[in-house]
Amino acid sequence: GDSVTQMEGPVTLSEEAFLTINCTYTATGYPSLFWYVQYPGEGLQLLLKATKADDKGSNKGFEATYRKETTSFHLEKGSVQVSDSAVYFCALSDRGDDKIIFGKGTRLHILP
Amino acid sequence: GAGVSQSPRYKVAKRGQDVALRCDPISGHVSLFWYQQALGQGPEFLTYFQNEAQLDKSGLPSDRFFAERPEGSVSTLKIQRTQQEDSAVYLCASAGTSYNEQFFGPGTRLTVL
Repeated sequence: GDSVTQMEGPVTLSEEAFLTINCTYTATGYPSLFWYVQYPGEGLQLLLKATKADDKGSNKGFEATYRKETTSFHLEKGSVQVSDSAVYFCALSDRGDDKIIFGKGTRLHILP
Repeated sequence: GAGVSQSPRYKVAKRGQDVALRCDPISGHVSLFWYQQALGQGPEFLTYFQNEAQLDKSGLPSDRFFAERPEGSVSTLKIQRTQQEDSAVYLCASAGTSYNEQFFGPGTRLTVL
């Protein structure tokens, strides 16, 4: 079945460092891909999404490109801030199937 | 309210008790989803409603889990004869239509002793 694999955390970086969180997926169809974020004490929020190959999703300085050839959707940010500390989930939703399949999450700590 | 709300936010149950978890979706949202998030894991799909119709319940882990949405708005997830392995955060999400962004509630943290 469909699945998502993302790098395990926690990931600890200094403020202004470059961030990459790797994510790969397995799907039988042509899924939409997502990154969700869960800030401390808050609910899940959609960070960005891409619905077809080569699409780039972006929001709040974060970017991820839908790579069909490598089945990947890596999350990147050029300069992280302390406020980016959160748990990040890579996820997919297959066409015709509304449920979202999540990875296990990557906890990110940004040090001032 | 502007977002998805869930109640209670925290629930402690003794093993064997029945519990009911409530979800109030965003007004007018057709689709409603329930997910289970174990500690340190990503959310896992439980069930999906479109209006009052339960279109997919493939993720419900056992027949002790039951969900309903009788009027196509508020939904209740019921767990009968709770077990320790049911301890998790239960998330509800709603969406305007199929393939739209799902908006998540804050979750109900269930602890079974």
